[in-house]
Amino acid sequence: GDSVTQMEGPVTLSEEAFLTINCTYTATGYPSLFWYVQYPGEGLQLLLKATKADDKGSNKGFEATYRKETTSFHLEKGSVQVSDSAVYFCAFLNQAGTALIFGKGTTLSVSS
Amino acid sequence: DAGVTQSPTHLIKTRGQQVTLRCSPKSGHDTVSWYQQALGQGPQFIFQYYEEEERQRGNFPDRFSGHQFPNYSSELNVNALLLGDSALYLCASTLAGPDTQYFGPGTRLTVL
Repeated sequence: GDSVTQMEGPVTLSEEAFLTINCTYTATGYPSLFWYVQYPGEGLQLLLKATKADDKGSNKGFEATYRKETTSFHLEKGSVQVSDSAVYFCAFLNQAGTALIFGKGTTLSVSS
Repeated sequence: DAGVTQSPTHLIKTRGQQVTLRCSPKSGHDTVSWYQQALGQGPQFIFQYYEEEERQRGNFPDRFSGHQFPNYSSELNVNALLLGDSALYLCASTLAGPDTQYFGPGTRLTVL
C-alpha cells in the first residue's frame, strides 16, 4: 500500500553544516511530492513541492528533486541555521488527489 | 489573506465524552481535510469534505464524523472518546482537485 519512509532522527548538526534528509515512497502512479515543516507547538507549513519527475522544488535554501527511478524525494540544504530546527515531513498526494500520505517525520536540531 | 484557522487551540475531555472541533479554510478554498497527528507520528488522513459532502475517508471508525457548511467551514465530531484519541487534530484546505493543502495550527485534544 501507499507509504513514505523517512530517515530516522534526530539529526543533530552544527550551524552552517550540510543537511540531507532521505525520503522514499511507495505509491500508485506518479504522485505530487511535498516537504512540510513543523515548528514546536505549531501546525504544518509547506516547505516545497514537486509535481512531476525531475522537477526540483526549492524554498528558503532547501531543495528536493523528484526522482521517479528511485521513488525518492530527498531534502537538502547547503548551510543550516539554528532557526531550521524543527520536524520535517515528507508526503505525497494519493492517486485520488484527496489525501496526503506522510512519513513519520525527522527531527532536526541545529546548534550554534 | 487569512490562512486556515482552527478552534479551540486546546481541549481536555474525559473518556466517553463527545467533542466538536472547528475549521475555517484559507480564503478562496472550498475543500477541507482533517488529519490526526499522534505524538511523535506523521499526520493520518481522517476525511475530506467538498460541496458539503464527504469525498473520501481514511481508516477511522464511525465515531469520527464531520460536516461542511455552505461557507466552506467544517467541523470534526468525535463521539465516545477513547484515551487513544488524544492527538493534535489538523485541518487543511485546498481548491477542488489535486492541489496543495495548507494546514491550520491544529487543536490539541487530551482525553483523560
